[in-house]
Amino acid sequence: DAGVTQSPTHLIKTRGQQVTLRCSPKSGHDTVSWYQQALGQGPQFIFQYYEEEERQRGNFPDRFSGHQFPNYSSELNVNALLLGDSALYLCASSRGTGAIYGYTFGSGTRLTVV
Amino acid sequence: AQTVTQSQPEMSVQEAETVTLSCTYDTSESDYYLFWYKQPPSRQMILVIRQEAYKQQNATENRFSVNFQKAAKSFSLKISDSQLGDAAMYFCAYRSGQSNFGNEKLTFGTGTRLTIIP
Repeated sequence: DAGVTQSPTHLIKTRGQQVTLRCSPKSGHDTVSWYQQALGQGPQFIFQYYEEEERQRGNFPDRFSGHQFPNYSSELNVNALLLGDSALYLCASSRGTGAIYGYTFGSGTRLTVV
Repeated sequence: AQTVTQSQPEMSVQEAETVTLSCTYDTSESDYYLFWYKQPPSRQMILVIRQEAYKQQNATENRFSVNFQKAAKSFSLKISDSQLGDAAMYFCAYRSGQSNFGNEKLTFGTGTRLTIIP
C-alpha cells in the first residue's frame, strides 16, 4: 500500500522562476494538503484540495497556487520565486476530513532558490 | 488564531530511560484535536499519537503517552523505554474540532529535537 509520494525530492531554481511540485496521495485518500517547512521551523499550512477545489487556504500570497486532478493527485505551483521560498514542501493526504481518519505525510520536496 | 508553543528546542535522554516533551497551545475553541508528529531525517512526518479534547482519558500508544491538561492548555508527550530509533524532531500540532472542510489546517509548534544517548 503506497504512502504519499512527492516529486521531485530536491530541486534548485533561480529567483524569479516558476516551479511545480507534485503529490500522489495514499491509496484510498481523496484530500490533499500542502505545507511549507522553513529550516528550523514547524510546517505552515498553504492550502487544501478536495473534489478538485481549494477548500481552505493559509496565509500565503497568490504566487502560491494549486490544482487537484480527478485521480486525487495534486500540484503546487509557485510563481516569481523569492529566496524566502526556499523550504521543504510537504504534502499530506487524508480520507475526507482528517479529523476522523488522520493525515499521512510524504517525505517532501526540498526547494532551494538561488 | 490558534498558536502552539514548544519551549524545548532540544532534549536528550539515555537509552531505556523516560523523557517528556512539552507543548502548550492557545485557543478559544472547546473542541479540537491535538497531535504529536515525529520527523526523522527521512523528513516524513509520522503520527505518534492523537488526542481528542472532549476525551478525559489521556491517549496511549505503546511506549508513548500524553498528559493532556485542558484547563492549562498543556499537551506533553512521554516516551518510555527510549530507543535509538526514537531520535527525531517531534512536533506538536493543533486542529480545530469542527469536522468540515475549511477547518482542516494543522497548526504546528517549532519542534523539539530529541537525541538518544546510547
